[in-house]
Amino acid sequence: EAGVAQSPRYKIIEKRQSVAFWCNPISGHATLYWYQQILGQGPKLLIQFQNNGVVDDSQLPKDRFSAERLKGVDSTLKIQPAKLEDSAVYLCASSQGTASYGYTFGSGTRLTVV
Amino acid sequence: QQQVKQSPQSLIVQKGGISIINCAYENTAFDYFPWYQQFPGKGPALLIAIRPDVSEKKEGRFTISFNKSAKQFSLHIMDSQPGDSATYFCAARGVGDMRFGAGTRLTVKP
Repeated sequence: EAGVAQSPRYKIIEKRQSVAFWCNPISGHATLYWYQQILGQGPKLLIQFQNNGVVDDSQLPKDRFSAERLKGVDSTLKIQPAKLEDSAVYLCASSQGTASYGYTFGSGTRLTVV
Repeated sequence: QQQVKQSPQSLIVQKGGISIINCAYENTAFDYFPWYQQFPGKGPALLIAIRPDVSEKKEGRFTISFNKSAKQFSLHIMDSQPGDSATYFCAARGVGDMRFGAGTRLTVKP
């Protein structure tokens, strides 16, 4: 089974610029999660999708972050404009459903905002 | 958002020793407690998990001990090996998303 694919692996941008991350979950996994992992901390949920609908985006800073999952498969997470404190690893994970406890994570995108 | 407290922050163990990482949670609605292992440049990978109706679960060298009344659970790594050097996260899930601890960086010295 192919894993969760994420791109790019690394991104360096200046503050106030915009950036987008892409995630392709495991085939057949209905639920997709975006997590933010700041250095030295555990992952923090940003947004959860069930198919192409949002289940939970309560922790997403909506003034600058947006995410979509068109057609219920791939997803993109965008930051516009970026701030220095957005420097982190952005992890995508997927599971078979919202009631499924087995999460599979991608390798993440490391974002550095300078 | 942190509802899972993990300790220690870092741990150094000699090869062959026992590594112990502890976590405490607050929300009694949590019903699934996994441990994730993360190597540099990789995403977290599920290592072992337990549900609160069981007090202990063992898989190979890895054991979870669970104390429901104290709202605590721990990971024990027996016969620790240099290849176990990684960051370990405890987590807890109830209705909704998974909440993660801050992580423990384990170093196993040869």
